[in-house]
Amino acid sequence: KQEVTQIPAALSVPEGENLVLNCSFTDSAIYNLQWFRQDPGKGLTSLLLIQSSQREQTSGRLNASLDKSSGRSTLYIAASQPGDSATYLCAVRDGNNRLAFGKGNQVVVIP
Amino acid sequence: DTEVTQTPKHLVMGMTNKKSLKCEQHMGHRAMYWYKQKAKKPPELMFVYSYEKLSINESVPSRFSPECPNSSLLNLHLHALQPEDSALYLCASSQEETGSYGYTFGSGTRLTVV
Repeated sequence: KQEVTQIPAALSVPEGENLVLNCSFTDSAIYNLQWFRQDPGKGLTSLLLIQSSQREQTSGRLNASLDKSSGRSTLYIAASQPGDSATYLCAVRDGNNRLAFGKGNQVVVIP
Repeated sequence: DTEVTQTPKHLVMGMTNKKSLKCEQHMGHRAMYWYKQKAKKPPELMFVYSYEKLSINESVPSRFSPECPNSSLLNLHLHALQPEDSALYLCASSQEETGSYGYTFGSGTRLTVV
C-alpha cells in the first residue's frame, strides 16, 4: 500500500522567505503526483500536477520537483506572502487508480 | 467552466433526517468521486463513479447512498447518520478514472450531525 509522508507537519516563516515543503512516498510506481492547497474548512485547490515522466513543474512562484526513483517531491514557494498561509497536501496516484494523500504541511507566513 | 460545484456549503441534520449533497461539473469529466475529510486529516475516498457507473465503494456504511444521474451530476444521499459522520465532504472529478490529467476538487460541504 502506498504511504505518503509530508515533512514538516507544520512550519512558520517570516514573509519574504522561500518555503520548502517535502513529500515522500514508499512505492515509486506512481503515475503522477499532485500538490494541493487547502484553506481551513475549504476544498482543495490544485497547484501543480507532475507526471511520472517529468522532473518538475512551475507556475508563477511555485515550483515542484519529482524524483520518482527516490520517492520524493519538493514544493518550493518563492518569496512567501501571508496569503500563502494554508495547508499543502501532496497526493500520489497509484496503480489502483487511487489518490494516496499525505497528512499535509501546515504553513503560516508571518507578516 | 473549470470548477466542481458543491451544494449546500453547510448542512446541519438530525440523526433521523434524510438529506442529500449535490455535486456538479461541466468539464466533460467522466469520473467523479466522493471523499470524506475529518479535521486535521487527509481526505478519505468513499465512492468512485466512472461513466456514471459505480466503480469503487470503499466499504462505506449503507447510510451513505451515492447516485450519478448523468455525467455532470453526482449526489450523496444521507439517512440515519451518526454524530461521528460530521465532516467535510468533498466531491472531485477527473477526465477519466485513471486520473492521468489530475483531479479537480469542489469546495466541500461541511456536515454536522446533531
